[in-house]
Amino acid sequence: LAKTTQPISMDSYEGQEVNITCSHNNIATNDYITWYQQFPSQGPRFIIQGYKTKVTNEVASLFIPADRKSSTLSLPRVSLSDTAVYYCLVGESGNTGKLIFGQGTTLQVKP
Amino acid sequence: ETGVTQTPRHLVMGMTNKKSLKCEQHLGHNAMYWYKQSAKKPLELMFVYNFKEQTENNSVPSRFSPECPNSSHLFLHLHTLQPEDSALYLCASSQGPRTDRAEAFFGQGTRLTVV
Repeated sequence: LAKTTQPISMDSYEGQEVNITCSHNNIATNDYITWYQQFPSQGPRFIIQGYKTKVTNEVASLFIPADRKSSTLSLPRVSLSDTAVYYCLVGESGNTGKLIFGQGTTLQVKP
Repeated sequence: ETGVTQTPRHLVMGMTNKKSLKCEQHLGHNAMYWYKQSAKKPLELMFVYNFKEQTENNSVPSRFSPECPNSSHLFLHLHTLQPEDSALYLCASSQGPRTDRAEAFFGQGTRLTVV
């Protein structure tokens, strides 16, 4: 089981770039890295997924070093509406299809 | 709108009641999940269904009984719950069953209060 470790909380200000790092030392060869965002009293929402190097979409970028033991979610120019909990997930090998969420990182964006 | 619909959105029930939560997806997914999220806690995986078959029961008490009649619908039957079962119950679906492509779609959840 690939466990993930993230900072419990982070603060930022509007307009800044935010980088959230996740450690996953036991990641398996076939595992992908996926990030979700969750607002209070809502279900998590998929942000981005990657396997190696860099992935970018309209919301965020994901940086994954060559050893894949960590990954960094980068949110450009955050706004107050980006205040949420961000979860890093690493896929399990096998066929059970489990999605295991850790404690996540609570990002507070201040004006 | 994620394509996963949960009903009801809010539910208040007594400890002797029996109620059911419903989840529906028409995304063509083969895996469906129930999660529990208590206040200020991470999501706890409860059950996993792949192709209508239960493949994971994460030591959930028997007062929670899931049912998956087809790949588009998932139910959670509740009976004789305790106040500590009050939480946000989330349903999700994914292409499944492998999680190397772990993009899941979540419903808005059912806020359950047990009195």
